[in-house]
Amino acid sequence: EPEVTQTPSHQVTQMGQEVILRCVPISNHLYFYWYRQILGQKVEFLVSFYNNEISEKSEIFDDQFSVERPDGSNFTLKIRSTKLEDSAMYFCASRPGPLSNQPQHFGDGTRLSIL
Amino acid sequence: DQQVKQNSPSLSVQEGRISILNCDYTNSMFDYFLWYKKYPAEGPTFLISISSIKDKNEDGRFTVFLNKSAKHLSLHIVPSQPGDSAVYFCAACPPLGNEKLTFGTGTRLTIIP
Repeated sequence: EPEVTQTPSHQVTQMGQEVILRCVPISNHLYFYWYRQILGQKVEFLVSFYNNEISEKSEIFDDQFSVERPDGSNFTLKIRSTKLEDSAMYFCASRPGPLSNQPQHFGDGTRLSIL
Repeated sequence: DQQVKQNSPSLSVQEGRISILNCDYTNSMFDYFLWYKKYPAEGPTFLISISSIKDKNEDGRFTVFLNKSAKHLSLHIVPSQPGDSAVYFCAACPPLGNEKLTFGTGTRLTIIP
């Protein structure tokens, strides 16, 4: 069964440094998402992306965050200047189309640790 | 933001018995509801969903019930198996598949052999 893959599985970065989290969505999917889960908290929506542009973003997704689909397969989340509170699990998700009955499929996440 | 709530952080059920996980929501705009299952070190895996036009959806051992007037849904697993031990998340989204999922805090289900 096709999967969403994320790399790396664990990223350790110094505060203030830039970090790029990578995702390869399922190949025929058109809608892409990033979520995060801070330890002990719920999974939170960050951003959705369709047709090479952001379609919705949350309050968390401030100017320090950006997303890109640089080629036909990768979908990246960049944090320009990381803060301690950015430490979390980051999940990428994709879905084939806009219909409600097409659920989002998640990758296994990248654990981001900011020192 | 408590739009989707799972009030039981944990649940233990004997193998072979029924597991019932509950979820409440407050946003009337939610139109579609999903259950995801999560093992440690893995991402959420889609289990089953239900549209607001239905009150029940069944898939094998999993059944989701929706009570719109009470803004409540539940996931029934019967019979429960040891491999069902995981964290279960309820999620909701507005009409037309509009983008973001709003998740509950999860319920850790432990199946006792």
